[in-house]
Amino acid sequence: ELKVEQNPLFLSMQEGKNYTIYCNYSTTSDRLYWYRQDPGKSLESLFVLLSNGAVKQEGRLMASLDTKARLSTLHITAAVHDLSATYFCAAASSNDYKLSFGAGTTVTVRA
Amino acid sequence: ETGVTQSPTHLIKTRGQQVTLRCSSQSGHNTVSWYQQALGQGPQFIFQYYREEENGRGNFPPRFSGLQFPNYSSELNVNALELDDSALYLCASSVQGAPDTQYFGPGTRLTVL
Repeated sequence: ELKVEQNPLFLSMQEGKNYTIYCNYSTTSDRLYWYRQDPGKSLESLFVLLSNGAVKQEGRLMASLDTKARLSTLHITAAVHDLSATYFCAAASSNDYKLSFGAGTTVTVRA
Repeated sequence: ETGVTQSPTHLIKTRGQQVTLRCSSQSGHNTVSWYQQALGQGPQFIFQYYREEENGRGNFPPRFSGLQFPNYSSELNVNALELDDSALYLCASSVQGAPDTQYFGPGTRLTVL
């Protein structure tokens, strides 16, 4: 069974500084997703990473995937208050249809 | 916003009751997956429907059941509700074989008293 671990679970960021969230998964996966969730809301898709070495960037967020290390990272550049939310990574393998989610990283950006 | 819709938005039930949650897929999507998200946790896969048949199931008991209709919309039914069933229920629609097309609906918040 595919297991996904995120760390840290809680991250207090200072505005303007850079931070990284890590996502490790236990078995072979060829799909890695990052989602954002605001309190009481649904999941907003941020990135889908489909191959080793894939890197995607949108604004202050950049995600990468290393399938050999079974690791994905979400890098936040120059944090701003609007980025306060819970971030989830999820993985799936090619012969499996379900997403296995991590526990989430709750991000709070302070001035 | 995605084109995935869910109803109702909120629901309150008592233990032992039955509930039906509904999901309408985004246009062009033929696959629906259901997830349960308990407070403070990541979503857990319940099951997926494709071509009106269950296409895989997570670790949920048989009292969780579903349907998919010819227009690709879907229902999640939960019988004999328990307190632990209180959660946000999310559906996600996608195109089978196209993993980057999956989008989640707004969710249904179920409270079991």
